[in-house]
Amino acid sequence: QVQLVGSGGGVVQPGTSLTLSCAASGFTSAKYAIHWVRQAPVKGLEWVALISNDGRHGNYADSVRGRFTVSSDNSKNTLYLQMNNLRVEDTALYFCASELWGSGYVDYWGQGTLVTVSS
Amino acid sequence: DIVMTQTPLSSPVTLGQPASISCRSSQSLVHSDGNTYLSWLQQRPGQPPRLLIYKISNRFSGVPDRFSGSGAGTDFTLKISKVEAEDVGVYYCMQATQFPYTFGQGTKLEIK
Repeated sequence: QVQLVGSGGGVVQPGTSLTLSCAASGFTSAKYAIHWVRQAPVKGLEWVALISNDGRHGNYADSVRGRFTVSSDNSKNTLYLQMNNLRVEDTALYFCASELWGSGYVDYWGQGTLVTVSS
Repeated sequence: DIVMTQTPLSSPVTLGQPASISCRSSQSLVHSDGNTYLSWLQQRPGQPPRLLIYKISNRFSGVPDRFSGSGAGTDFTLKISKVEAEDVGVYYCMQATQFPYTFGQGTKLEIK
């Protein structure tokens, strides 16, 4: 049973940093890429970032490139989204989701962790 | 970026009746490998999204066969043959042909 558990959200001030975690289980992590997708309050879905199955490559939305960084710790089966210089418009529910590398679809989603950026 | 446009944005449906949602992309979703990476997701209230359909018409594991997808190129459709109460939620199309992955605005399915 594939399970993704996101954590690390909270209330922070603009300009500060926060790191989200996504604990993965139930699949061979070496075969899966992990996406971060966010959803602002009462809004739609916005793709944020991707870390490749081997953890060596990241891809980012223009809105976060240069501020957000994806990484992984294979020994812990945990993926991270480090968010720096946070802005009010980064306020959202952040989901981690898996993609069997090369499949072209995002199959399993975590429950989301809420980030609120407010002064 | 590829823009995904869904219609309608809201769809009131009677239980047991069919429902249809359209999704149009601003450019062809045919990948250089020949596949078309168009998916449909369902988000029930208070829940994370759930994959329903991938590569236009393939139902994901556990998805009831009342859900079906069709289309090609830039025009795609999700159909629910007979709407049930548990189908209430917001439906999104999503393209994974090109980075950044992009989503439609969402279509809210509600019961009349």
